[in-house]
Amino acid sequence: AQSVTQPDIHITVSEGASLELRCNYSYGATPYLFWYVQSPGQGLQLLLKYFSGDTLVQGIKGFEAEFKRSQSSFNLRKPSVHWSDAAEYFCAVGARTNDYKLSFGAGTTVTVRA
Amino acid sequence: DAGVTQSPTHLIKTRGQQVTLRCSPKSGHDTVSWYQQALGQGPQFIFQYYEEEERQRGNFPDRFSGHQFPNYSSELNVNALLLGDSALYLCASSSYRDNQETQYFGPGTRLLVL
Repeated sequence: AQSVTQPDIHITVSEGASLELRCNYSYGATPYLFWYVQSPGQGLQLLLKYFSGDTLVQGIKGFEAEFKRSQSSFNLRKPSVHWSDAAEYFCAVGARTNDYKLSFGAGTTVTVRA
Repeated sequence: DAGVTQSPTHLIKTRGQQVTLRCSPKSGHDTVSWYQQALGQGPQFIFQYYEEEERQRGNFPDRFSGHQFPNYSSELNVNALLLGDSALYLCASSSYRDNQETQYFGPGTRLLVL
């Protein structure tokens, strides 16, 4: 079975500071990995995805993530956070062999202070 | 290009009632997946529809059922509502035919069961 762990429930960061959100996954085969962002009362917006190839992937809004197979991790980073980045962030794993059904982590809430 | 749309946006029901939620996929997509997101949690996979058939199902009781129409739109039905069914219901679309692994989410329907 596939599963995702996001160890940090809540992170507070100052505007302009860097941000890193952790994600660990469990899946026997090659996973497809995703990061989604959800603003209050909204649906999920795709930030970036990893399927294969270069392990450092770039996404929208200045986010990037690095896939590390040896650590079963897919951490999300942003060099300089803006106040508009305050939201909830979800890591998800899927697989072709599972019809791309997504399993999500519990999410990390990011608060940005001025 | 219209994204994934869902209706209604909000809904209030009482225990024991039945509810129908609707989803129109992104243009060009043929697969619809439904997720339940309880407050403070990550989305949980309910089921997935392709070619008007349920292809995958998560760990949800038979009270949850669905349908996909020839135009690829979909409905989620929940019978005998329980208080615990209160959640944000998210629809996601993708293209199985084109082997596109990425799921794009709609804004969700927020269901409150009293």
